[in-house]
Amino acid sequence: GAGVSQSPSNKVTEKGKDVELRCDPISGHTALYWYRQSLGQGLEFLIYFQGNSAPDKSGLPSDRFSAERTGGSVSTLTIQRTQQEDSAVYLCASSFYGSGTGELFFGEGSRLTVL
Amino acid sequence: AQKITQTQPGMFVQEKEAVTLDCTYDTSDPSYGLFWYKQPSSGEMIFLIYQGSYDQQNATEGRYSLNFQKARKSANLVISASQLGDSAMYFCAMRANAGGTSYGKLTFGQGTILTVHP
Repeated sequence: GAGVSQSPSNKVTEKGKDVELRCDPISGHTALYWYRQSLGQGLEFLIYFQGNSAPDKSGLPSDRFSAERTGGSVSTLTIQRTQQEDSAVYLCASSFYGSGTGELFFGEGSRLTVL
Repeated sequence: AQKITQTQPGMFVQEKEAVTLDCTYDTSDPSYGLFWYKQPSSGEMIFLIYQGSYDQQNATEGRYSLNFQKARKSANLVISASQLGDSAMYFCAMRANAGGTSYGKLTFGQGTILTVHP
């Protein structure tokens, strides 16, 4: 597709369940980023991929959070044993290595609600 | 470590007037980039403008301009001739351009909600 695609757009789950959020970046974009945005707040960095490797995963809040990227394209963010504080919008972005500004192109986000 | 500070939680402006949204930053990196994004109520993040730390001129993109004052570590966004559609949350962000690279995570501020009145 033309833009960054995220699924699901909305996910409601019960505390303790595992969830998977998917991101399909813009074709040809080598860098992929996951951010989290709580209601009315700024964006909190989670993890950054360059190709399939993650040179910066410093923002993952706990070992319940993990992410992988395969084929230099699609990425999955997994949250195990979800907690209510995990409720947020999870934003994925991608960028093209070597572009002039390297701006991030964002998807529309996956809204996670943990009951 | 990098830090972005946006001290204005909310701003109001009359339609057709200009408005300045403040952003200050802190970094020890000699080379860095500064970004502004707009987030309407729909939630999408829209890239507006970019300023490199070594750029001699202030960046401009249509009605958007970036007032870059390096010594004061400020990168204020100026929106001229405000329109009702400019009502949104605005985020300032920065990235270390280590080794002249143009990729890497952005660190975002807390945002400013702009409301344009008719």
